[in-house]
Amino acid sequence: GQSLEQPSEVTAVEGAIVQINCTYQTSGFYGLSWYQQHDGGAPTFLSYNALDGLEETGRFSSFLSRSDSYGYLLLQELQMKDSASYFCAVREAGRRALTFGSGTRLQVQP
Amino acid sequence: EAGVTQSPTHLIKTRGQQATLRCSPISGHTSVYWYQQALGLGLQFLLWYDEGEERNRGNFPPRFSGRQFPNYSSELNVNALELEDSALYLCASSLESGGAGYGYTFGSGTRLTVV
Repeated sequence: GQSLEQPSEVTAVEGAIVQINCTYQTSGFYGLSWYQQHDGGAPTFLSYNALDGLEETGRFSSFLSRSDSYGYLLLQELQMKDSASYFCAVREAGRRALTFGSGTRLQVQP
Repeated sequence: EAGVTQSPTHLIKTRGQQATLRCSPISGHTSVYWYQQALGLGLQFLLWYDEGEERNRGNFPPRFSGRQFPNYSSELNVNALELEDSALYLCASSLESGGAGYGYTFGSGTRLTVV
């Protein structure tokens, strides 16, 4: 089986930088994905890291360290619209469908 | 291009009844995934269909079942409904089998309420 751990809630102010961590235990790791979900909305794909290092997409960056079974999502220049839940997800060998973490609720305050 | 569409948006059923939820993937996507999201919780994997076949199922009882049609649309059936089945049921599709690299595109979900 596999498990993912991420903080349940993070609060930050507008314009700040926030980092959401994710640690995982899995067999046959294929990569770490991140999804954003606003209240009442569908999850949307943000990023995917298959190799170690940092991937940058605009204000969002995602990092992976395979040796540490650890990754994070970095959100810069926070905006009120970034208030949402953020999920990390991994694909397990033999299962191939993604397994999601329990999610981190980010609250951006003015 | 049309996204992933799910119907109905909301569904209210009585305990013991059956519910049928439907999903149409993005055109060209052959893989369909079903997830259950209870209120305030994460996404729990239910079922994965690819090319008309069930490829994987999560840790859910057999009363959760489904199928995928030749046009790649999918149906999730939940029999003998229980109160704890009340949740948002999300369908997703992906370009590649497994979907990790390209990401999943989710539909807006069906909110199932069991009373």
